[in-house]
Amino acid sequence: GEDVEQSLFLSVREGDSSVINCTYTDSSSTYLYWYKQEPGAGLQLLTYIFSNMDMKQDQRLTVLLNKKDKHLSLRIADTQTGDSAIYFCAESNSNYQLIWGAGTKLIIKP
Amino acid sequence: KAGVTQTPRYLIKTRGQQVTLSCSPISGHRSVSWYQQTPGQGLQFLFEYFSETQRNKGNFPGRFSGRQFSNSRSEMNVSTLELGDSALYLCASSLGTGEEEQFFGPGTRLTVL
Repeated sequence: GEDVEQSLFLSVREGDSSVINCTYTDSSSTYLYWYKQEPGAGLQLLTYIFSNMDMKQDQRLTVLLNKKDKHLSLRIADTQTGDSAIYFCAESNSNYQLIWGAGTKLIIKP
Repeated sequence: KAGVTQTPRYLIKTRGQQVTLSCSPISGHRSVSWYQQTPGQGLQFLFEYFSETQRNKGNFPGRFSGRQFSNSRSEMNVSTLELGDSALYLCASSLGTGEEEQFFGPGTRLTVL
């Protein structure tokens, strides 16, 4: 069945780049999303990428998509303490449904 | 434009009781999805409603049910509560017509004692 996998934790030093990885199984996905959840809050869309794109950049965020390997990554440049959150990867299927990863908790070390 | 609202924000119930959660989507959005979020299981999809019809359903028991009204507002009901139902219940709205963004509410924190 459809599945999205992510590492549960990532620890980086403040000022370094963070790279959060995600793999998915549904090759028919049209859009892939990155959501951010801060403590005690709902999920907020960070960015998304259309499946015919390889890369999308938005300020400090860079999304890379390798459709052949079904691999998606989110790079956060110059990671700040305010970036501490759980990051969810999701893909959309043909039934208008989002399939979610378990979330990666980003921990920032001073 | 007002965001997605969920009521109540916090709820405490005891085992065996039932509970109803409410979600008001963004104006103009016709799709409402419900998720259960727990530390151990992550984000689990419950169901999605579009134009008052359940369009997608996750793998939850029949104790979990929902409905959507003509104004797109949605309710979720859980009957015969169990301790394991303690979770953050998130509602998300979208246009529902294609591959578009889901906007999330702040969630309802349900604690079952």
